[in-house]
Amino acid sequence: DGGITQSPKYLFRKEGQNVTLSCEQNLNHDAMYWYRQDPGQGLRLIYYSQIVNDFQKGDIAEGYSVSREKKESFPLTVTSAQKNPTAFYLCASSTSEYSNQPQHFGDGTRLSIL
Amino acid sequence: DQQVKQNSPSLSVQEGRISILNCDYTNSMFDYFLWYKKYPAEGPTFLISISSIKDKNEDGRFTVFLNKSAKHLSLHIVPSQPGDSAVYFCAAKRNGGSQGNLIFGKGTKLSVKP
Repeated sequence: DGGITQSPKYLFRKEGQNVTLSCEQNLNHDAMYWYRQDPGQGLRLIYYSQIVNDFQKGDIAEGYSVSREKKESFPLTVTSAQKNPTAFYLCASSTSEYSNQPQHFGDGTRLSIL
Repeated sequence: DQQVKQNSPSLSVQEGRISILNCDYTNSMFDYFLWYKKYPAEGPTFLISISSIKDKNEDGRFTVFLNKSAKHLSLHIVPSQPGDSAVYFCAAKRNGGSQGNLIFGKGTKLSVKP
């Protein structure tokens, strides 16, 4: 079955620590996205990537970093510079950045601060 | 400034009745709209979409209506079922535009009572 796998499902971070959230897709999609969802809020875009080795900042990129070394993988690092990292993080993919085909989402990672 | 607004945070409907979820947008450049459904602790799943060349799109129990002059769209679910209980997100972008510019509303939580 094709889909998007996010791991871990739950993650805890200590103050001052960087953590990396994994996102893997086997849909052969070119474009991948990272969103953050806070309670009562919509999805806000952190970063997106149209193609391997290329990515663009979204609306709330500060305190986050990404890499896209393989088509299938788009890990997100939440750095210690992100002062309010507690949120539900969603990874998505689409056939291409400019396609109208809907984005497919993973089941998310919930990040909490210890 | 919210470009996509879902003004009702929650909606409760009796099983078998119609559910109507509303969405307003302010950006007149938006001409492609999607609805996503999200269960707790899961990623959103695509439900239905509509482009501005149409004013209605139907898929089974789900129909989306678009009123371009009012910058308003609505999702109708008929008949509503308990399994429809979820958060529904409206999203908008330019037709053929970057999915990096897909804007989500804050969502409406639908509860369908047996």
